[in-house]
Amino acid sequence: QKEVEQDPGPLSVPEGAIVSLNCTYSNSAFQYFMWYRQYSRKGPELLMYTYSSGNKEDGRFTAQVDKSSKYISLFIRDSQPSDSATYLCAMSAGGGNKLTFGTGTQLKVEL
Amino acid sequence: DADVTQTPRNRITKTGKRIMLECSQTKGHDRMYWYRQDPGLGLRLIYYSFDVKDINKGEISDGYSVSRQAQAKFSLSLESAIPNQTALYFCATSDPSTPSTDTQYFGPGTRLTVL
Repeated sequence: QKEVEQDPGPLSVPEGAIVSLNCTYSNSAFQYFMWYRQYSRKGPELLMYTYSSGNKEDGRFTAQVDKSSKYISLFIRDSQPSDSATYLCAMSAGGGNKLTFGTGTQLKVEL
Repeated sequence: DADVTQTPRNRITKTGKRIMLECSQTKGHDRMYWYRQDPGLGLRLIYYSFDVKDINKGEISDGYSVSRQAQAKFSLSLESAIPNQTALYFCATSDPSTPSTDTQYFGPGTRLTVL
């Protein structure tokens, strides 16, 4: 079993929809949680970063962490075609430990 | 603008050839990483370096070597390339002095094809 599980999709939604992307993990030591967005043939870019449990909002994006369930989510409101990309979750125990990545969910927002 | 750059961006080579991929960064970060990305497998860590004198193997280091020439430069070598090393390769950096110590910043990638 992988340490981080992420549904690969593809997920196809109409423009304006609310998108929910999720990851589950097994390592209870993880404390730092990140979401990266990767456009085709580009490098991953950091989208959101959260520490421990709770919510964090940045514009149309909300990151949510539930450590008791070992479950993290990224919500995208009013989705746009420009949001079409692969979204990678990543997490670490902190203190200079390496990141563990999910395999990514491919999202397509259609007009 | 502070950035992570990789050269070359695309490379096609033949089995048995030696290949070097280069990474440079202007972020001033001490930590640098090399990953490969394959469909369905996600990002896998090849090597990482926490400073110029520190080199560590990642989960898939066999067949690869690295050199940290300076704080800003980290090179990945394939001593004798084989077809299953065909992948997208990414360099990344991180800064241990910030609160988000493990957040990494990625370069644009090198698409390597080994025939």
